[in-house]
Amino acid sequence: QKEVEQNSGPLSVPEGAIASLNCTYSDRGSQSFFWYRQYSGKSPELIMFIYSNGDKEDGRFTAQLNKASQYVSLLIRDSQPSDSATYLCAVETDSWGKFQFGAGTQVVVTP
Amino acid sequence: EAGVTQFPSHSVIEKGQTVTLRCDPISGHDNLYWYRRVMGKEIKFLLHFVKESKQDESGMPNNRFLAERTGGTYSTLKVQPAELEDSGVYFCASSQGLAGVEQYFGPGTRLTVT
Repeated sequence: QKEVEQNSGPLSVPEGAIASLNCTYSDRGSQSFFWYRQYSGKSPELIMFIYSNGDKEDGRFTAQLNKASQYVSLLIRDSQPSDSATYLCAVETDSWGKFQFGAGTQVVVTP
Repeated sequence: EAGVTQFPSHSVIEKGQTVTLRCDPISGHDNLYWYRRVMGKEIKFLLHFVKESKQDESGMPNNRFLAERTGGTYSTLKVQPAELEDSGVYFCASSQGLAGVEQYFGPGTRLTVT
């Protein structure tokens, strides 16, 4: 069983629609969760992080965390072609900042 | 502020050869992490430096991999001798602070072992 699981996609989303990305994790003790965006051949860049159960909004992005269900999600509202990328879920698994990543979900926003 | 830089961007070597990858973290970042992504798989943790000390090297595949961070600045990751399964993208990341903070990633070094 993978420790951090994401749907690989591709997730095809019409421009202007909402993209919904999911991530589940196995380590119940995990406390911090990060969403990174990676364009092809580029470095991963942070979109959002979340520590507490519930929703956290930043512009067009909303992260949702449910620790009881070991589930974290990312919503992208009003999707734009520039949002086409691979989205990586990273779970911090210890107090030293060690990340476990999911395999990433490829998002394709179609005009 | 300069980001995390890695050199080279791409390396092609033959099985049995040696390769050294370099990472320059963001200035002032004490924490430096190495990760690797093998094709089709997720990014996996290799090791973590705090300044010049190895905090966690539990992800290092075997003793053909040697990481150093002399002086607590840049880091090198040497693979000797390289094997076919070492091919992948090697990422370096740095952070200021530990748990719950952003790690800034470099662009990666794509290593191809033939």
